[in-house]
Amino acid sequence: GNSVTQMEGPVTLSEEAFLTINCTYTATGYPSLFWYVQYPGEGLQLLLKATKADDKGSNKGFEATYRKETTSFHLEKGSVQVSDSAVYFCALRVSGGSYIPTFGRGTSLIVHP
Amino acid sequence: NAGVTQTPKFQVLKTGQSMTLQCAQDMNHNSMYWYRQDPGMGLRLIYYSASEGTTDKGEVPNGYNVSRLNKREFSLRLESAAPSQTSVYFCASSEGASGGYEQYFGPGTRLTVT
Repeated sequence: GNSVTQMEGPVTLSEEAFLTINCTYTATGYPSLFWYVQYPGEGLQLLLKATKADDKGSNKGFEATYRKETTSFHLEKGSVQVSDSAVYFCALRVSGGSYIPTFGRGTSLIVHP
Repeated sequence: NAGVTQTPKFQVLKTGQSMTLQCAQDMNHNSMYWYRQDPGMGLRLIYYSASEGTTDKGEVPNGYNVSRLNKREFSLRLESAAPSQTSVYFCASSEGASGGYEQYFGPGTRLTVT
């Protein structure tokens, strides 16, 4: 089956620090990979995605590269802000497979001024 | 575009009461989903509708029913609420049911069952 594993949180950083949130996956078939962000009291929203190996998704200063050889899609940002405090979810969907996306458990990020 | 809308935003029920959570999307998406989110459990899929006229069970369907009323609307019904159904419920939609199609989520309904 499909699965997504994310690092446990919370991740606590000072403003302007470098962020990495690890995500690894297993999939039957060729997955597309996603990062979603959930701000307090809101629903999830797409942060970035990549649909094939070696693609890099980027948005709002965040980046993630689809690494097929290591089955990973780690989220990075060079300089975090207090406003980046949120829960981040890694997810995958397989083409031609189940209609159901697979989500990781989420990683909470807390950024202090 | 309003995207995905959910009503109500908050609800308190007594054990045994029933209610329907409403969801609508204005993006002409084919697929719609209902999730629940509990602390430490991540997102769990309750039911989904790959296309208008079809519905299927997800990971945790017991105690729930759904109706895909038309292409826009997908409702979730709790026939006899239980305290274990206290949760935040999210509706989502996507253009297609597989591959590179991302999901769009509503703002959630916060349900408490006493």
